[in-house]
Amino acid sequence: EDQVTQSPEALRLQEGESSSLNCSYTVSGLRGLFWYRQDPGKGPEFLFTLYSAGEEKEKERLKATLTKKESFLHITAPKPEDSATYLCAVRNMEYGNKLVFGAGTILRVKS
Amino acid sequence: ETGVTQTPRHLVMGMTNKKSLKCEQHLGHNAMYWYKQSAKKPLELMFVYSLEERVENNSVPSRFSPECPNSSHLFLHLHTLQPEDSALYLCASSQVGAYYNEQFFGPGTRLTVL
Repeated sequence: EDQVTQSPEALRLQEGESSSLNCSYTVSGLRGLFWYRQDPGKGPEFLFTLYSAGEEKEKERLKATLTKKESFLHITAPKPEDSATYLCAVRNMEYGNKLVFGAGTILRVKS
Repeated sequence: ETGVTQTPRHLVMGMTNKKSLKCEQHLGHNAMYWYKQSAKKPLELMFVYSLEERVENNSVPSRFSPECPNSSHLFLHLHTLQPEDSALYLCASSQVGAYYNEQFFGPGTRLTVL
């Protein structure tokens, strides 16, 4: 059965303290790994899609990377406005348009 | 309006009520989705409509009834709900067949069942 596991469940950082969030997955025939950001009481906001091992994408202070077993979301010099829940999801050959989500990592950045 | 919109944003209903959630996408997509998000649990896919045809029903209880009259609108009809159905209900859309098939979400409806 395909699984997505995110760690840690929660992360507290000081402003400017860089760190990484992990998304490990087991899926047959990966057809995309997706990162979303979700603020409290709002819907997930799309951040990145990664399709193949070795691929990297960046957006402001965020950088997503992908290996054959996991993805990392690196946060460089975070600011309080980066506080949110970060969700990871995968799609495989059999799912079609379905995504399987992890439980998320709650990030809190204190000034 | 831009993106994906959902109404109402908040809904409180009794177990014997009938209500409907509405979703509208302004992105020109051809697939729409309903998800349920409960506290500390991953998003659960409920229904998928692709080209206005239901292609997925993840063993959702019959007290939830989806409707997709066209590619831009999606409804979730609710009746005889249980307190455990209280959650954030999210609508999403995507473009099936495109290389980049990201799903874009609406703001959600916070449902409380008393």
